[in-house]
Amino acid sequence: KNQVEQSPQSLIILEGKNCTLQCNYTVSPFSNLRWYKQDTGRGPVSLTIMTFSENTKSNGRYTATLDADTKQSSLHITASQLSDSASYICVVREGFGGSQGNLIFGKGTKLSVKP
Amino acid sequence: DTEVTQTPKHLVMGMTNKKSLKCEQHMGHRAMYWYKQKAKKPPELMFVYSYEKLSINESVPSRFSPECPNSSLLNLHLHALQPEDSALYLCASSRDRAGYQETQYFGPGTRLLVL
Repeated sequence: KNQVEQSPQSLIILEGKNCTLQCNYTVSPFSNLRWYKQDTGRGPVSLTIMTFSENTKSNGRYTATLDADTKQSSLHITASQLSDSASYICVVREGFGGSQGNLIFGKGTKLSVKP
Repeated sequence: DTEVTQTPKHLVMGMTNKKSLKCEQHMGHRAMYWYKQKAKKPPELMFVYSYEKLSINESVPSRFSPECPNSSLLNLHLHALQPEDSALYLCASSRDRAGYQETQYFGPGTRLLVL
């Protein structure tokens, strides 16, 4: 069964600290993996998208990594800010390149950044 | 314009009411989506409208019906809803449904409460 598992479920860190969120998936065949940030009561906003051949991708203070062999991804947040408080959702699309496979959503990691 | 707009932001309705949620994008995207998101859960795909074809998640009850008046609009008509339908309804659009062009841009959502 295609699944996306995220850990931890929730995380509290102090402002200015770094943190890493994990995403493990069993989706096959794999097309791409993306990380979204969702503020409470708002729609998700795309942070990064990576295909099979990409190991790392950065977007400002956010750096995502992908290990397609072990089917693991991580999202590293550097020098956290209060505005980083949100849920971070890992989403994997099944299927090959141009395929219209399903999007499999993780349950998200709720990050709280405290002053 | 890189926004997906949704109206209304909040909606309270009775089980006998008929209401509509509206979603609009002016990015020239060819695919639009409706998701339902319950608290602390990932979004669940309800409908996809792409290249003038509608794809339906078979688990979605018929009291939800999408309508696409033109390529920029995707409405969601609601009729005889149940209290368990209370959720955040998210609309998204993407340039296409394949490859990098499939990054979905989400609207802010409509918070629906069914009494």
